[in-house]
Amino acid sequence: SQKIEQNSEALNIQEGKTATLTCNYTNYSPAYLQWYRQDPGRGPVFLLLIRENEKEKRKERLKVTFDTTLKQSLFHITASQPADSATYLCALQAGTALIFGKGTTLSVSS
Amino acid sequence: DSGVTQTPKHLITATGQRVTLRCSPRSGDLSVYWYQQSLDQGLQFLIQYYNGEERAKGNILERFSAQQFPDLHSELNLSSLELGDSALYFCASSGGALGVEGHEQYFGPGTRLTVT
Repeated sequence: SQKIEQNSEALNIQEGKTATLTCNYTNYSPAYLQWYRQDPGRGPVFLLLIRENEKEKRKERLKVTFDTTLKQSLFHITASQPADSATYLCALQAGTALIFGKGTTLSVSS
Repeated sequence: DSGVTQTPKHLITATGQRVTLRCSPRSGDLSVYWYQQSLDQGLQFLIQYYNGEERAKGNILERFSAQQFPDLHSELNLSSLELGDSALYFCASSGGALGVEGHEQYFGPGTRLTVT
């Protein structure tokens, strides 16, 4: 069956370091993958979209990679700040809908 | 502010009852998606509408139904409510419907449903 796994439920890092979050999937062949940020009790907010023919996408301090051979996406936040603390969700295209992973909660301490 | 509105923000009701959640998409967006989020299940896709027509179905129970009206707002109807239906319900909208185009989704603030 189809499965999306985000590497860990929680990740704790120090301010200024790079946070790396992992999204692995099985039994999908998505044409694109998206990353969202969700704060407690609020709706997810779109961050980045990467297509299957793109290896890497950047936006300010964010970088996403997409390896269709490994069936994996990596999401990096460089020079992390306490304000980056949130849950990050990866989402895969499945037909015309998005299927979300359970998310990784990032805590950045000062 | 994503531009997607949802009402009500909170809803408390008893088991066996029926409720209706409402969503207005961003101006110009034709697709509306409904999601359920509970602590143990994460964000679960329920159903998608595009310009008034059902486009995709996820893990939506038979007790749940939805529709999208000509003005593009959408309603999610939940009936014969059970304790396990307590969750956050999110609506999202996007500009397109075709999967290969990869449209990002804009989420509303959600409706917190508590079934007692």
